Amino acid sequence: DQQVKQNSPSLSVQEGRISILNCDYTNSMFDYFLWYKKYPAEGPTFLISISSIKDKNEDGRFTVFLNKSAKHLSLHIVPSQPGDSAVYFCAASGSGAGSYQLTFGKGTKLSVIP
Amino acid sequence: DGGITQSPKYLFRKEGQNVTLSCEQNLNHDAMYWYRQDPGQGLRLIYYSQIVNDFQKGDIAEGYSVSREKKESFPLTVTSAQKNPTAFYLCASTATTYGYTFGSGTRLTVV
Repeated sequence: DQQVKQNSPSLSVQEGRISILNCDYTNSMFDYFLWYKKYPAEGPTFLISISSIKDKNEDGRFTVFLNKSAKHLSLHIVPSQPGDSAVYFCAASGSGAGSYQLTFGKGTKLSVIP
Repeated sequence: DGGITQSPKYLFRKEGQNVTLSCEQNLNHDAMYWYRQDPGQGLRLIYYSQIVNDFQKGDIAEGYSVSREKKESFPLTVTSAQKNPTAFYLCASTATTYGYTFGSGTRLTVV
């Protein structure tokens, strides 16, 4: 059973507009959430993260929002740029033994159209 | 410069052969992981190791084997028992709960 779900396999956005990527989770033990960006034939790179004690974290054009009651997080990219075109993975980790291990969603492919 | 290195970048295997993918890190990370990526499947965990000389099966371990004789190294062997080995393989490492560092991946193709 998928504990981290990214229900949109793909998303297309015009350059300059906002991109919103969504992620849902089912495990209430998750307390740290991350977004990774992946280009074809490369390894994922860390983008932004958020702890469960916060509801928002911002880094430049990237903002992650966390709604714990809904078990939902989202990544906002404003403004979107063609170089943002990539696959974005949502990941979660929990407290306790083995908490280093991340659980990944299946990814959302973002295409930013010039 | 600290990092995680996977080699080779591209690998071709004949059916029935075993092949070994290399993963080396100089980040002093305790935990290391192997993932497989297929189109539409996301990242699926093959094996992981949290300490030297110990490793655990992930979700899709069948047809794969690993070893962890040194902290820096976590090689993955794709055996002939793996029915569909063509995929993109990613190695990762971590020392904290704050996320992984990934290698650049190995594309394995069965010919």
